[in-house]
Amino acid sequence: QVQLQESGPGLVKPSQALSLTCTVSGSSISNTDYYWNWIRQVPGKGLEWIGYIHHSGSTYYNPSLKSRVSMSSDTSKNTFSLKLNSLTVADTAVYFCGRGNKIAPGWIDPWGQGTLVTVSS
Amino acid sequence: DIQMTQSPSSLSASVGARVTIYCRASQGIGIWLAWYHQRPGKAPRLLITSASVLQSGVPSRFIGSGSGTAFTLTISSLQPEDSGTYFCQHTSTFPYTFGQGTKLEI
Repeated sequence: QVQLQESGPGLVKPSQALSLTCTVSGSSISNTDYYWNWIRQVPGKGLEWIGYIHHSGSTYYNPSLKSRVSMSSDTSKNTFSLKLNSLTVADTAVYFCGRGNKIAPGWIDPWGQGTLVTVSS
Repeated sequence: DIQMTQSPSSLSASVGARVTIYCRASQGIGIWLAWYHQRPGKAPRLLITSASVLQSGVPSRFIGSGSGTAFTLTISSLQPEDSGTYFCQHTSTFPYTFGQGTKLEI
C-alpha cells in the first residue's frame, strides 16, 4: 500500500521560507514511472497545483510560484521536499504531496493527508 | 492558464438520486481531465482519469464523460458516503489547474 506523509512546521513568519518533506512508503521515488507532486489548498477554498519532481531530476513549477519554489528529492530516505521562499499570509494553506504517473504526471493518486501551514507573525 | 469552471457550486440531493456535475475548460483539453472527491478534513481521492476511466476501487455509479471543453460527472444512485466536494482537474498543458469545486450534500 502506497502512503505519503507530509512533515514540516505548522507556523512560519512572513518573509521566511517554508520547507516541507514528503515521506513515501510502499513506492520508490527512484521509480521512473512516477512523478512526485505538491498541491496546496487554502482552507475552505480550491486546489492549486504547485509542481512536481521526477527521479530524472526534471521539475516543473507553477508559473504563479516559480520564482519562489524549488523541489528536491532524497532517494536514500525515499523523500521529496518543497521549499517556498518569501512567504506571505496568502501562502497559508494545507499542503499536500502526491504521486503522479508517467501517463499523466498531474493525476494525483494517492495523496498525503496534508499539513496545515499558517503564515503569521 | 486554462480555467476550469464547475457548476453548480453546491447541490443537495437524496440517497438514491442521480446527480450531474459539470466542468468546463476555457480551451480544449481533449480528454486530459480527472475528477476527485474530497471529504472535509481529508485529502482528495482520485475517481476518474481520461475523462471517463474509473479508477480501481471506485464504485461503478460514478460516470465521467466529455471531451474538448465540456465534461460531466454523474453519480447514478447517491449513497451517504458520496457527500463532500468534487473537483475537476485538467492536465492538458502546464500549469495543471482545478475547478473551484462542487459541494454535494446528501
